[in-house]
Amino acid sequence: AQSVTQLGSHVSVSEGALVLLRCNYSSSVPPYLFWYVQYPNQGLQLLLKYTTGATLVKGINGFEAEFKKSETSFHLTKPSAHMSDAAEYFCAVMVNTGFQKLVFGTGTRLLVSP
Amino acid sequence: EAGVTQFPSHSVIEKGQTVTLRCDPISGHDNLYWYRRVMGKEIKFLLHFVKESKQDESGMPNNRFLAERTGGTYSTLKVQPAELEDSGVYFCASSHSYNEQFFGPGTRLTVL
Repeated sequence: AQSVTQLGSHVSVSEGALVLLRCNYSSSVPPYLFWYVQYPNQGLQLLLKYTTGATLVKGINGFEAEFKKSETSFHLTKPSAHMSDAAEYFCAVMVNTGFQKLVFGTGTRLLVSP
Repeated sequence: EAGVTQFPSHSVIEKGQTVTLRCDPISGHDNLYWYRRVMGKEIKFLLHFVKESKQDESGMPNNRFLAERTGGTYSTLKVQPAELEDSGVYFCASSHSYNEQFFGPGTRLTVL
């Protein structure tokens, strides 16, 4: 069965600092990987996704993530945090076996201080 | 293009009552999903419709939950009777292709 582990329920950074949100997955078959963001009082918004091809994927708002098969990781990074990045971030895996459900991690709340 | 919409945004009910949540997917999206997040835990899959048919309902917690999708358009999720542990945020998502799901804002359900 697929699973996702997000290390750290809360991550605090200063404005302008590097953002690193960790995600490790477990999957018996090549996965599709996603990062979603939820801003306060809003729904989940897709930040970026990895399906096939280039392992470094770029998303919206300056975020990127790298698929590392050997480490079963898909960490999310942004070089310089902005106050508007404060939100909850979810890593998810989808198994491309014809069933399309997403399996989510528990989420990481990013706090950005001035 | 309108996104996925959900109604109501919040619902507070007493234990034992019935609640019906509604989801309107993006027009033309055949795939519709329901997920739930219980406070502090991960977002969990409930079920998946392809048009009006249930493709996968492996995540439905028990027979107090009934999901329907009339004519392959909007979907409803009924909880009857509601229990305390049903409290959480219920998300609906829709997709046209198999590798991207668009989520609605969620319905926050509180069972007292």
